[in-house]
Amino acid sequence: DAKTTQPNSMESNEEEPVHLPCNHSTISGTDYIHWYRQLPSQGPEYVIHGLTSNVNNRMASLAIAEDRKSSTLILHRATLRDAAVYYCILRPPGNTPLVFGKGTRLSVIA
Amino acid sequence: DTGVSQNPRHKITKRGQNVTFRCDPISEHNRLYWYRQTLGQGPEFLTYFQNEAQLEKSRLLSDRFSAERPKGSFSTLEIQRTEQGDSAMYLCASSLTGTGADTQYFGPGTRLTVL
Repeated sequence: DAKTTQPNSMESNEEEPVHLPCNHSTISGTDYIHWYRQLPSQGPEYVIHGLTSNVNNRMASLAIAEDRKSSTLILHRATLRDAAVYYCILRPPGNTPLVFGKGTRLSVIA
Repeated sequence: DTGVSQNPRHKITKRGQNVTFRCDPISEHNRLYWYRQTLGQGPEFLTYFQNEAQLEKSRLLSDRFSAERPKGSFSTLEIQRTEQGDSAMYLCASSLTGTGADTQYFGPGTRLTVL
């Protein structure tokens, strides 16, 4: 399975933007980049995914480097509810199981 | 949309006992996944079903583990002769194939403690 590298933890002030990086230098041409997050005491939840182009949805934006070897999840205004572990996952096409790493634990300070 | 539900939410058992967990997926979702998560780690894939067929099993799924999805709706995960190393959060997720992202929707998990 293609691997991702994320910082163990990050901290943000409330109401400020957060940029969560993910390196995936061994990504294959058909791998999608998925982001899930896990709030305390809950199961993971889908955030966003993309292949080559940048993506936006109501939760976040995903910026993908031109060579696709890295990506950044952007939370435009962090709230206390965004404190969670964020997982960057590479996923080949074909509805395969998710392969989680350790993720980045995001703390949001009021 | 009631989401994915799992029962029980917590289970404490003694080593050597059998336990069974249940997962009710989002209705009409044809795929159902089981994952296990230990403290400080991300979830690890165990097995998944498409309708009632079990399509893949991880090498983590020892012979003591068995999963079923008899009518293609709810699923059960049974662990026989539990060991302390089985203590973990067991997560279930469901998805609907053919919807592009195959977004997986997770339940709240069943936390197993083996004494």
